[in-house]
Amino acid sequence: DTEVTQTPKHLVMGMTNKKSLKCEQHMGHRAMYWYKQKAKKPPELMFVYSYEKLSINESVPSRFSPECPNSSLLNLHLHALQPEDSALYLCASSQGQFKTEAFFGQGTRLTVV
Amino acid sequence: DQQVKQNSPSLSVQEGRISILNCDYTNSMFDYFLWYKKYPAEGPTFLISISSIKDKNEDGRFTVFLNKSAKHLSLHIVPSQPGDSAVYFCAASAGYGGSQGNLIFGKGTKLSVKP
Repeated sequence: DTEVTQTPKHLVMGMTNKKSLKCEQHMGHRAMYWYKQKAKKPPELMFVYSYEKLSINESVPSRFSPECPNSSLLNLHLHALQPEDSALYLCASSQGQFKTEAFFGQGTRLTVV
Repeated sequence: DQQVKQNSPSLSVQEGRISILNCDYTNSMFDYFLWYKKYPAEGPTFLISISSIKDKNEDGRFTVFLNKSAKHLSLHIVPSQPGDSAVYFCAASAGYGGSQGNLIFGKGTKLSVKP
């Protein structure tokens, strides 16, 4: 199993809603990541979890709240988002945080209305 | 300031020929480099990587070359196939003492392989 599974694939939410993005991997990877990708731009790192602890937070607004319930799961809780937060949200995992390939999920296409 | 640069937004190649995608970087702390392929509406797919202690890594039709003195790497695809048509991202990371392993991506190069 070399898959990173993200749900949902598409999400439309209002600016007052609370929603969550989910990510799952069963490769035994100990590092998991959230990236944000806007159209025609490269993926930009948001958060890194290493051994279920938040390792990197790239100055992401508090309306994005990550959670790592266990070594296979990574969530991104969304609250009071803005239309400019509309993007493709990508989850990735890797064996470790250093010098290892990251495997990406297919992403969640988020639209904030 | 862009740390990873892919200066060619697009590249068109005939089927069967070689595709060469280029990438330059500025951060001398980068010591691990990766190439990803991305189709529209999908996540990036890992292709091939190279550590800074090597200057070449080969995997089937894909070869990555690293020139540390020039801070330049390239991806060669031989022979190119129509199914290779996608956006290719170069990514770099710095390990211990650097930016804790997060990947920095270039802007991507859209490869079109024509039959």
